[in-house]
Amino acid sequence: EVQLVESGGGLVQPGGSLRLSCAASGFTFSSYWMSWVRQAPGKGLEWVANIKQDGSEKYYVDSVKGRFTISRDNAKNSLYLQMNSLRAEDTAVYYCASWTEGWFDPWGQGTLVTVSS
Amino acid sequence: EIVMTQSPATLSVSPGERATLSCRASQSVSSNLAWYQQKPGQAPRLLIYGASTRATGIPARFSGSGSGTEFTLTISSLQSEDFAVYYCQQYNNWPPLFTFGPGTKVDIK
Repeated sequence: EVQLVESGGGLVQPGGSLRLSCAASGFTFSSYWMSWVRQAPGKGLEWVANIKQDGSEKYYVDSVKGRFTISRDNAKNSLYLQMNSLRAEDTAVYYCASWTEGWFDPWGQGTLVTVSS
Repeated sequence: EIVMTQSPATLSVSPGERATLSCRASQSVSSNLAWYQQKPGQAPRLLIYGASTRATGIPARFSGSGSGTEFTLTISSLQSEDFAVYYCQQYNNWPPLFTFGPGTKVDIK
């Protein structure tokens, strides 16, 4: 069964840091681009970051550039998102998802990040 | 940045009726458009990719059409499980800086 499982979410103060993880199973993780997509409470979906199969290319939405870093460990079938200088507007459910040609499938179940004092 | 818009924001439909959802791109995305369904408390689910190709396991009552800047998702006969929020997403540009539409909520009339 193809599965993506996120972890690492929680409550963090503004200006703080958090590292999200996504464990993949049931498919050849190293063959896929991976992404983080987030959804603020009651809002729509926002693509956050992409990483190429070998980690050599990374892309970010403008609002997180310089603060978030996407990475992966193909030996561990894992995707990560290091989030620094967190702001209230980063509060969201963060989903990991895989893609090859641009559409996201599958998705994980998401992990909630709350930035609040 | 390619901006995606969707209309209407909310669509009230009776079970068994047809639903037509629209998605528009600020510039041509060719056929590089996907549709997702999201139910409360769940992750999005891929419905359509390449503007018109149903994903694995998606019922035939879901169909997608369009190219360029104008796209449509049609649900031919709404079932109770189809009441949800639907998002379009473009994946046309390179580097891959993807954008989603704001969503259309389909609720029970």
